Amino acid sequence: EDQVTQSPEALRLQEGESSSLNCSYTVSGLRGLFWYRQDPGKGPEFLFTLYSAGEEKEKERLKATLTKKESFLHITAPKPEDSATYLCAVLFMDSNYQLIWGAGTKLIIKP
Amino acid sequence: EAQVTQNPRYLITVTGKKLTVTCSQNMNHEYMSWYRQDPGLGLRQIYYSMNVEVTDKGDVPEGYKVSRKEKRNFPLILESPSPNQTSLYFCASSDQSGGNQPQHFGDGTRLSIL
Repeated sequence: EDQVTQSPEALRLQEGESSSLNCSYTVSGLRGLFWYRQDPGKGPEFLFTLYSAGEEKEKERLKATLTKKESFLHITAPKPEDSATYLCAVLFMDSNYQLIWGAGTKLIIKP
Repeated sequence: EAQVTQNPRYLITVTGKKLTVTCSQNMNHEYMSWYRQDPGLGLRQIYYSMNVEVTDKGDVPEGYKVSRKEKRNFPLILESPSPNQTSLYFCASSDQSGGNQPQHFGDGTRLSIL
């Protein structure tokens, strides 16, 4: 069964303390992997799409990377405004355009 | 401003009383979708639509109906709501083929079925 697992469930960091979030997947074939950010009371907001192993995307303090079995969202020198839940979603080859979503990582950055 | 608008944002109702959650997008997107979000679980797709008059079941369609009579609107209908449909619901839209394109989400509708 195709699955997407995110870890950790929650992460507390001090402002400026860099870290990484993980999204691992068991797939029959990856078509694309998406990262979204979700703030309380809001819908998910698109961050990145990755399509193949070795690909990297960057945006401000965030960098997403992809291997054959997992993706990392690296957060460098985070600020309190980076606090949010980060969601990963995977599109599989045989999925008929349906995404499989991870449960998310809740990130809290303390000033 | 490009947006997906859901109404209502919050609703408390009782078992069996039919309700409709509206969703409208102003981006001329072909693909629209409904999800539910429950604690500890990822977003689960209820129904999706590739274009007007074209809808299909997602992972958890039981107890829900949808229609797509116009490109911009994609209402979610609960004909006889039950407590296990208490959840946070999101509507999303995207260009072209949907799954392979970034989705734009509404701000959610929190439903409580008593």
